[in-house]
Amino acid sequence: DQQVKQNSPSLSVQEGRISILNCDYTNSMFDYFLWYKKYPAEGPTFLISISSIKDKNEDGRFTVFLNKSAKHLSLHIVPSQPGDSAVYFCAATSGTYKYIFGTGTRLKVLA
Amino acid sequence: NAGVMQNPRHLVRRRGQEARLRCSPMKGHSHVYWYRQLPEEGLKFMVYLQKENIIDESGMPKERFSAEFPKEGPSILRIQQVVRGDSAAYFCASSQVEQETQYFGPGTRLLVL
Repeated sequence: DQQVKQNSPSLSVQEGRISILNCDYTNSMFDYFLWYKKYPAEGPTFLISISSIKDKNEDGRFTVFLNKSAKHLSLHIVPSQPGDSAVYFCAATSGTYKYIFGTGTRLKVLA
Repeated sequence: NAGVMQNPRHLVRRRGQEARLRCSPMKGHSHVYWYRQLPEEGLKFMVYLQKENIIDESGMPKERFSAEFPKEGPSILRIQQVVRGDSAAYFCASSQVEQETQYFGPGTRLLVL
């Protein structure tokens, strides 16, 4: 049972445009969400997180939006840069150390 | 400030051999987590350790797998009598306190021939 789903395996975006990566979850007990970026042959790098008491969190070019009623979150990257090309994982937790990860979305930013 | 260190980065074993994966957490972090990523899948939680204690090993297979985090030295994930299905990337993460964001190491890619 996949509790965290990233339904788009891949996404291509032109440099300078907005990248929107989506994530859906099924467990209403999840109260903290994170996005990680992963380059090939490296470990996931923490990007940004959001608590369920918020609906938006922003850090530079990265903004995460949370829609609790739809059990949906999204990561917006604007403007997209070639260095953003990577696999992006969303993760969720219900107040514990056990992160539940999605299967990832491969973002390709075209120069 | 060094990040999470893992070694080896790549490990090749034949079926039936043992694999030992090491993880040194970030400086000041005393909480260590191991995750496994199978091809085309997300990371899956295996085990959570603090110094000299296994807190939660619910994600770890009951047989052949064990983990430790001794008072001195790195955390070790040990897989005995490896099988082809153990081929995966194994990531270690650490945090300063339990509820804090986990930071990941570069992973060990295990290939079982």
